[in-house]
Amino acid sequence: AQTVTQSQPEMSVQEAETVTLSCTYDTSESDYYLFWYKQPPSRQMILVIRQEAYKQQNATENRFSVNFQKAAKSFSLKISDSQLGDAAMYFCAFIQGAQKLVFGQGTRLTINP
Amino acid sequence: GAVVSQHPSWVICKSGTSVKIECRSLDFQATTMFWYRQFPKQSLMLMATSNEGSKATYEQGVEKDKFLINHASLTLSTLTVTSAHPEDSSFYICSARVGTEAFFGQGTRLTVV
Repeated sequence: AQTVTQSQPEMSVQEAETVTLSCTYDTSESDYYLFWYKQPPSRQMILVIRQEAYKQQNATENRFSVNFQKAAKSFSLKISDSQLGDAAMYFCAFIQGAQKLVFGQGTRLTINP
Repeated sequence: GAVVSQHPSWVICKSGTSVKIECRSLDFQATTMFWYRQFPKQSLMLMATSNEGSKATYEQGVEKDKFLINHASLTLSTLTVTSAHPEDSSFYICSARVGTEAFFGQGTRLTVV
């Protein structure tokens, strides 16, 4: 069974600085998708970024980028120029084919002004 | 992106009564929807997969008679918590997929008193 592990329950960063959230996963498949979701205090799940496993190039969305290491089964999220609105729970997630979305335990990110 | 609407956003009910939560896909058809439960400061836990026109598939440990799921149309799935008890108090989130991307409802905070 696929598993997703986020080893950092909490992280904090100074506003305008850069922070990296870690995620590792376990699968025997070669074709799959990885996601980072943000859950702010409103608790609405928001897609931050996605990565297709067959793509070697790391995905980037404005201030958000990933470091996808397929061999190491690692998928970290880098947030540059952190803003107060980035404060939220961040969940790493994995999906393969038609199977269910598997979430990590989450990392609570605090932005210090 | 696709929009999933969940209603109500919050509900308070008396112990022993039943409460229904609706999940609608507003601009797409969803043959499959997912229901999650989220405890405070924890990740999303998949409860069941709702399939249009057929029975839902429940995750291990989820009581199918307590959490009734109906997916009668391609745009609506409902979760009914029957004979609710205080331990059923939680945050419930629905989701639908378009391809490999998941879209989430706003969530429902259920409080059983």
